[in-house]
Amino acid sequence: NAGVTQTPKFRVLKTGQSMTLLCAQDMNHEYMYWYRQDPGMGLRLIHYSVGEGTTAKGEVPDGYNVSRLKKQNFLLGLESAAPSQTSVYFCASRLLAEGQYNEQFFGPGTRLTVL
Amino acid sequence: AQKVTQAQTEISVVEKEDVTLDCVYETRDTTYYLFWYKQPPSGELVFLIRRNSFDEQNEISGRYSWNFQKSTSSFNFTITASQVVDSAVYFCALSVYNTDKLIFGTGTRLQVFP
Repeated sequence: NAGVTQTPKFRVLKTGQSMTLLCAQDMNHEYMYWYRQDPGMGLRLIHYSVGEGTTAKGEVPDGYNVSRLKKQNFLLGLESAAPSQTSVYFCASRLLAEGQYNEQFFGPGTRLTVL
Repeated sequence: AQKVTQAQTEISVVEKEDVTLDCVYETRDTTYYLFWYKQPPSGELVFLIRRNSFDEQNEISGRYSWNFQKSTSSFNFTITASQVVDSAVYFCALSVYNTDKLIFGTGTRLQVFP
């Protein structure tokens, strides 16, 4: 099992450009998440999904959109990149289990720089 | 509202020293889960432990141990006889039952010198 994978690993954008980050998981997890990690701020939740076809906003959703058309994939889009979106982006997935909160499994991250 | 505080931004120790990483959490809910994750220099996040609010037993796994105290809302992590490979950023996180989110602290960077 590959676990959680992210594509691409690195990307440099110019202000105003758009791009899509792809997250894929092969563990049949219901939940998927997108975080950004900035120095001194820990991980902050951007958007998440509790199942195929559903998405919800997290703590810092502005400037991002997401889609979950297939259970195994969760896409994060930047329509018009800004320098403030320079960050490391992590995807995670979690198994739904009745009555408990299982751990999230993380992908390797995508380092995005917006010039 | 829920919150996780890791007051120690950075800790430096010499190999073989014991080190404790502090985590203080805030929640009004009675059912919640606490986690520790490790982020080594390579960047990935590695799950270390999960503890639910009804289980206050301390846990030991090799050189790692965790002390959960509801009375002080703390979930501290101790590494015994630290090694250079323990150098990483460690995150404490909280999830409240029936929410879908994990709330992270800002992390503690541990540097273990030979």
